[in-house]
Amino acid sequence: QVQLVESGGGVVQPGRSLRVSCTASGFTFSSYGMHWVRQAPGKGLEWVAMISYDGSDKYYADSVKGRFTISRDKSKNTLYLQMNSLRTEDTAVYFCAKEPGGAYRWYFDLWGRGTLVTVSS
Amino acid sequence: QSALTQPASVSESPGQSITISCTGTSSDVGNYNLVSWYQQHPGKAPKLIIYEFNKRPSGVSNRFSGSKSGNTASLTISGLQTEDEANYYCCSYAGSSAFVVFGGGTRVTVL
Repeated sequence: QVQLVESGGGVVQPGRSLRVSCTASGFTFSSYGMHWVRQAPGKGLEWVAMISYDGSDKYYADSVKGRFTISRDKSKNTLYLQMNSLRTEDTAVYFCAKEPGGAYRWYFDLWGRGTLVTVSS
Repeated sequence: QSALTQPASVSESPGQSITISCTGTSSDVGNYNLVSWYQQHPGKAPKLIIYEFNKRPSGVSNRFSGSKSGNTASLTISGLQTEDEANYYCCSYAGSSAFVVFGGGTRVTVL
């Protein structure tokens, strides 16, 4: 069925790195832009990054620019978020989410269940 | 502090209607029709319920409707049901500086 499944979360110390992944199934992954959205414990949603269907365009929230890198591998139907120089305020559930297709529409018609990243010493 | 302003909570009885406001600025809600709304039950992934401020995805109940006036978007839920108890988030495209902004979320309680 059509779904997104995140993985790779865990506990990491401040200043260290972590990569989370999102595997897509049930649709043509290489045809859609993809996003990462995060949610700190008990808080609201925060957009993190977006990558175009072919990986040629990437956009980031100011809060992660220069520290996080979004990428994708069409051969593996997988989206990635490489997170470097992690801070305690990066602690959150990280969701991957799919664009609806066509030109950038900047909304999310399919979400994964998320993976929890905890940054703590 | 979130970029878009929503009421923290709304409560109403089953069968009644509620409207949740989402106030932004001329840089986001007021300048683009790219407003979306998401329903999130505790511990679950968000679900798209409105896109492009007033369009409903296939499979979403017609009890959910969206509108926009100036810098404020609104979500109306009519005929409230217990399953509508959830958190609701508005979202808007904000141009090439901020890209995407969310509201802080509204907790809906069906009394």
